[in-house]
Order: sequence, then structure tokens, then C-alpha cells
Amino acid sequence: SQTIHQWPATLVQPVGSPLSLECTVEGTSNPNLYWYRQAAGRGLQLLFYSVGIGQISSEVPQNLSASRPQDRQFILSSKKLLLSDSGFYLCAWSVGQEAPLHFGNGTRLTVT
Amino acid sequence: QKEVEQNSGPLSVPEGAIASLNCTYSDRGSQSFFWYRQYSGKSPELIMSIYSNGDKEDGRFTAQLNKASQYVSLLIRDSQPSDSATYLCAVQGRGGTSYGKLTFGQGTILTVHP
Repeated sequence: SQTIHQWPATLVQPVGSPLSLECTVEGTSNPNLYWYRQAAGRGLQLLFYSVGIGQISSEVPQNLSASRPQDRQFILSSKKLLLSDSGFYLCAWSVGQEAPLHFGNGTRLTVT
Repeated sequence: QKEVEQNSGPLSVPEGAIASLNCTYSDRGSQSFFWYRQYSGKSPELIMSIYSNGDKEDGRFTAQLNKASQYVSLLIRDSQPSDSATYLCAVQGRGGTSYGKLTFGQGTILTVHP
């Protein structure tokens, strides 16, 4: 069966520091991969999605970036965090174009 | 105009009652619709998928879809306190730049009281 691992679970970082969040999927090949952010009391915002290695689509202009160095690995990065980057970051996977997303446990990021 | 709209609630129902959650969407070409449950502090969990007009039942959950009205709903029968959570409606776009992407509503907070 498929599983998704996302780490770390919680993170507290100062403004201006770099960020790296990692997500890996097991049990499937060539998944679609997604990064969502959920700010406190708000809905899920799609940040990036990828349909294959090296293919990244950005949904929202921001100081974040994403990379997919391997088929089942998705990384979210920032060179300098802003206070507004605080939130609950969720990695998700799907297979096929009309399939549901399955989420990892998320990373709660607090920028201080 | 929001692409996927839900009443934020909170919706409060007594234990054993039917909870009715509603969602409307703007992309008329959407073909795939999902309901997720999110407990406080946790990630969303898929509970229902629906692709065709009509009803789809799974245990105590029934999803209803009306593409002509651009409306999808979730009924929870025999509601339990453990059903208390935020319910997210998600719609998958099919046209243009929305192809394959999932857009979420803001979520409806459901509280089931004993």
C-alpha cells in the first residue's frame, strides 16, 4: 500500500532563515505531488505541484520554491523566511488526473 | 468569486441526527469531487469521492452531486461526537490551467453534541 512521509512535524524558525521541508512517497510510481499551505483559520492553498521529475508548477508568487529530485521525493524550500510563511504545510500525492489527493501528516511551521 | 464555497458553520447537530454539509463550485467543467475530514491539528483525510450525478453511499456517509446546479453535498447519518471536525469540499478542475488540480473550499466546522 502507498504511504507518504513528511518531516519535520513541527518547526520554529526565525525570520530570514532558510527552510527545507521534505516529503517522500512509497508504494507507487510516478505520482503527482503537491505542496499545500493552510494558514491559521484559512483554507488550503495550493503552492506547487509536479507531474514528474524536474517538472514543477508554481501556483502562487512567493519566496518559496519546490524541487523534485527523484520520482517520489518532493522538497519545499525558502532562502529567507517571512513571518507570513507561518502555517501548516501539507504534502500530498495522487495517481492519475481524476484521482483524489492523499495527504501526509503535515509540518507546522512557525516563523518568529 | 470563490471557486469552491462552503458555509463555514459551525454546524451543530445532536448525536444520532443527520448532518448536512453543502458545497457549490464555479468551474462548470469540473468532473471530480471529494469530501475530506480534518480534525483539529491534523491533515485532511479523504472520506468520499463522487464523479457522477446522483447519490453515492458509503456506510453512514452519502455524497450527492448535481452538476447542472454545480452543487455537491455530504450527508452524515447517525452523527457521532467523533464526527466533530472540519469538512472540506474539493473540486478537481478540468479546463485550461485548472486541469487536474484540486481546489478546496474553506471548510465547514461540524460539532456533534451528546
